[in-house]
Amino acid sequence: GENVEQHPSTLSVQEGDSAVIKCTYSDSASNYFPWYKQELGKGPQLIIDIRSNVGEKKDQRIAVTLNKTAKHFSLHITETQPEDSAVYFCAAPGTYKYIFGTGTRLKVLA
Amino acid sequence: NAGVTQTPKFQVLKTGQSMTLQCAQDMNHEYMSWYRQDPGMGLRLIHYSVGAGITDQGEVPNGYNVSRSTTEDFPLRLLSAAPSQTSVYFCASSPGVGIGIYSPLHFGNGTRLTVT
Repeated sequence: GENVEQHPSTLSVQEGDSAVIKCTYSDSASNYFPWYKQELGKGPQLIIDIRSNVGEKKDQRIAVTLNKTAKHFSLHITETQPEDSAVYFCAAPGTYKYIFGTGTRLKVLA
Repeated sequence: NAGVTQTPKFQVLKTGQSMTLQCAQDMNHEYMSWYRQDPGMGLRLIHYSVGAGITDQGEVPNGYNVSRSTTEDFPLRLLSAAPSQTSVYFCASSPGVGIGIYSPLHFGNGTRLTVT
């Protein structure tokens, strides 16, 4: 069946360090992988996405990498700042839906 | 553009009561969906709609009903509330989610529901 696993569930980093969150998916036909950031009391917001015809995409301090052979994709945040503290979700497409990972709570320590 | 608007923000129900969670979007999105978020379990799909007049079940549909009479609105009805339905509910819309066509979801800010 369709499944997305996300690790780690919590991650603490010092301000200025990098953070990496990894997701694996089961459906080899999947071709679009978004990442969402959820701040306290709010709904998830898209921060970056990648389609299967590219291996990496960057947007300032955020990057996403995709390895279709291994069926995993990762979120990289460099030079972390306190405002990066939030819950991050990965997702992969299913049939007329998205399947979400269980989330990673990132804490950036000042 | 307000995006996706959910009401109410908070609700407390007694077991057996019914209620409707409202969701409206002003982006002319064809696809709308409802998720529930529980600690450690991520976002689980309850129901979705690919257009007005069309709805289908997601992963956890039991105890919930939906309808889609207009493009803008997608209400979620709890028929007889149970403590297991205590959760945070999110409505999300997208220009399109389907076989080979995937656009990002736009989420509302959620409804926090407690059933006692």
